[in-house]
Amino acid sequence: GNSVTQMEGPVTLSEEAFLTINCTYTATGYPSLFWYVQYPGEGLQLLLKATKADDKGSNKGFEATYRKETTSFHLEKGSVQVSDSAVYFCALSGETSGSRLTFGEGTQLTVNP
Amino acid sequence: SAVISQKPSRDICQRGTSLTIQCQVDSQVTMMFWYRQQPGQSLTLIATANQGSEATYESGFVIDKFPISRPNLTFSTLTVSNMSPEDSSIYLCSGEDVGTEAFFGQGTRLTVV
Repeated sequence: GNSVTQMEGPVTLSEEAFLTINCTYTATGYPSLFWYVQYPGEGLQLLLKATKADDKGSNKGFEATYRKETTSFHLEKGSVQVSDSAVYFCALSGETSGSRLTFGEGTQLTVNP
Repeated sequence: SAVISQKPSRDICQRGTSLTIQCQVDSQVTMMFWYRQQPGQSLTLIATANQGSEATYESGFVIDKFPISRPNLTFSTLTVSNMSPEDSSIYLCSGEDVGTEAFFGQGTRLTVV
């Protein structure tokens, strides 16, 4: 079946530091890949997505590239801000699972001023 | 994009009672889903809410414990029945339409005492 593995958290960074959150997946065929963000006390919001190999999703300074050869979709940001503090979830929607999403464990990011 | 209003946002319930969570979408959507997020864990799909027919449950979830209704294309409810402390979680609904990504309600934080 489908699965998503994220790097263990929590992650604590200083403002303006570089961020990488690793995500790898297992799925048959060609899944779509997503990063969702959950700010404190709020629901999930879609951050970015990629639907085919070598696609790069980007939003709010965050980027992730769909790497089929390494089955990865790592999230990166060059300079984090305090307002980026949240929980980040990697997820996939498989070819055979329809619209149902499989989520990773989530990574808590705290950015200190 | 469409917006889901989920309520209640939080509740504290006595064990043995039931709680019904409602999700209202501001436009018609093809698919609606219910997820559970246990403390410190990722999201797990409970079921797909099917309009006008019985929900499709994932392994480990049953209709008697989590009855779901979806009377039309904009509304769904999830009931957590005969609650125990192990049911303390965040419950989220999501919607999705053809060609769009999943979007989520704000979540219901349930504590069973």
